[in-house]
Amino acid sequence: TQLLEQSPQFLSIQEGENLTVYCNSSSVFSSLQWYRQEPGEGPVLLVTVVTGGEVKKLKRLTFQFGDARKDSSLHITAAQPGDTGLYLCAGGGNTPLVFGKGTRLSVIA
Amino acid sequence: NAGVMQNPRHLVRRRGQEARLRCSPMKGHSHVYWYRQLPEEGLKFMVYLQKENIIDESGMPKERFSAEFPKEGPSILRIQQVVRGDSAAYFCASSPSSGLYNEQFFGPGTRLTVL
Repeated sequence: TQLLEQSPQFLSIQEGENLTVYCNSSSVFSSLQWYRQEPGEGPVLLVTVVTGGEVKKLKRLTFQFGDARKDSSLHITAAQPGDTGLYLCAGGGNTPLVFGKGTRLSVIA
Repeated sequence: NAGVMQNPRHLVRRRGQEARLRCSPMKGHSHVYWYRQLPEEGLKFMVYLQKENIIDESGMPKERFSAEFPKEGPSILRIQQVVRGDSAAYFCASSPSSGLYNEQFFGPGTRLTVL
């Protein structure tokens, strides 16, 4: 069974701080996706990474896929209250998407 | 270009009743996935459908749950004889293909409450 572990589970920081959240697995995935989910809404796709070692930037968000395609990280620079939400990673391949339980981020103004 | 649509957004049922959840995929998408999310949990895969076919239902409970995606109309997730443990948010996602990257786009969800 493929599992994705996300850490930390909860993170509360002040506006302007930097943070990194992690997504780890013992399994190899063909691709890894990051989603953000706000209360009462569905997950919104942020990025897909597919190549080991790949780095993608989305404004203040930097996503990295591990060399072995088993782990990923999301780094947010100068966090803002609008970044508040549940960040989910999901592993893709030939099987249905496997989701981690998410990191719940709260950015306080 | 409308995104994935789900209705109703909120559904309240008493134990023993039936719940029908509807999902219209994004235009041009022929693959539909259903997930269930409990509070403070990630999304759990339930079923993957293409038009008129169930491709993978490995995450679907064996009893009371069924899903369809007819040639015309939305995909339906049906829960018969609901129990309190069925209370959850149910999300539908769609994709244009089942390709390697498997990017899926989610609807806003249906929140089912069983009294």
